[in-house]
Amino acid sequence: EVQLLESGGGLIQPGRSLKLSCRASGFSFSSQAMSWVRQAPGKGLEWVSVISDNSLNTYYADSVKGRFIISRDNSKNTLYLQMRSLRGDDTAMYYCATALEWPNPYFDHWGQGSLVTVSS
Amino acid sequence: IQMTQSPATLSASVGGRITITCRASQTISTWLAWYQQRPGRAPKLLISKTTNLEGGVPSRFSGSGSGTEFTLTISSLQSDDFVTYYCQQYSSYPWTFGQGTKVEIK
Repeated sequence: EVQLLESGGGLIQPGRSLKLSCRASGFSFSSQAMSWVRQAPGKGLEWVSVISDNSLNTYYADSVKGRFIISRDNSKNTLYLQMRSLRGDDTAMYYCATALEWPNPYFDHWGQGSLVTVSS
Repeated sequence: IQMTQSPATLSASVGGRITITCRASQTISTWLAWYQQRPGRAPKLLISKTTNLEGGVPSRFSGSGSGTEFTLTISSLQSDDFVTYYCQQYSSYPWTFGQGTKVEIK
């Protein structure tokens, strides 16, 4: 059974940094592209970033480009999202998801999410 | 590519049939997925490539369309179906979602 478990969220002040993790199990993580998708409270879904299986290719939404970095450690079956210069509009539930049909993905399995609240 | 879903909210009865429309601002061939999201839960993939039902998804769900106009149809609504649905294009970067359609009980 595919399982994705996000962690690292919390309350953070504007301008600070936070790193999310997503521990994967139940599938061949090293062969799978992975993505982050977020959802602001009461709002719709917004794709954030995606990384190829071998980390050679990464893509970002314009809203986070230059501030967020996606990475992965295939030896640990873990996906990361380093978030810098956080702003109030980054407040959201952050989901990690498996990304199918690389290089233009849709999202198959999703974690339960990690809530990031940016507020002073 | 902008994805526009309509309606934003839809009221229907158990056993009824509904159709949700998703329009793309430019052609996306059939590179469209549909997701279902229950309150407080992660989205769940229902359909990929416009018409391909994911394993375990009931056959009352179906998708159609191509180019810029797509539909998700639920043929006989069950109580579990009164939640929110999103479309997503994966034709080109950046990959974008519709704003969602909430299906309510009439």
